[in-house]
Amino acid sequence: DGGITQSPKYLFRKEGQNVTLSCEQNLNHDAMYWYRQDPGQGLRLIYYSQIVNDFQKGDIAEGYSVSREKKESFPLTVTSAQKNPTAFYLCASSISSGGSVIQYFGAGTRLSVL
Amino acid sequence: GESVGLHLPTLSVQEGDNSIINCAYSNSASDYFIWYKQESGKGPQFIIDIRSNMDKRQGQRVTVLLNKTVKHLSLQIAATQPGDSAVYFCAENSGNTPLVFGKGTRLSVIA
Repeated sequence: DGGITQSPKYLFRKEGQNVTLSCEQNLNHDAMYWYRQDPGQGLRLIYYSQIVNDFQKGDIAEGYSVSREKKESFPLTVTSAQKNPTAFYLCASSISSGGSVIQYFGAGTRLSVL
Repeated sequence: GESVGLHLPTLSVQEGDNSIINCAYSNSASDYFIWYKQESGKGPQFIIDIRSNMDKRQGQRVTVLLNKTVKHLSLQIAATQPGDSAVYFCAENSGNTPLVFGKGTRLSVIA
């Protein structure tokens, strides 16, 4: 069953804690993305990676960190510096970055603060 | 700055009627446009896309129209069904840049 798998589906963070959201794809896509979605809002780009061992900041990177050690995996860490982390986090991938390519999305992780 | 936005935040239509969801964009360099459907609590699903060298593209029950002169994009859904109820996003990009998403329109289908 091919696609993008995000885990966990729900995550709770205590104050001062770092948490990591997992994103795995078996589509052999080069590019991967992380978006944040607040209630009733659109998607805002946090980070993206065009290729293994390389990533770029999006519009709202502050308080987040990523790594891209493997083509299949693009984990997102929400650090304690992110003061308002409650949101729906979406991971996406595409066969290449930019251009006329479709981004495919995972089912999302909903992060809440305890 | 450059942005992608929507004219109507909510749209209610009768089951069986046609739906039209609109989107305005401001980046005249945008050359690729895409529509996504997002159901509650799920990730966005690809519906249809269009490149800037086209002004119309049809899929199954959906049509996307692109008017580059006024920087306007629309999604038409024929014979709207209850399963079409969702939030619809337009997105665009140009060159080697990630997609930029609009805020979304909520479509409610009245049975």
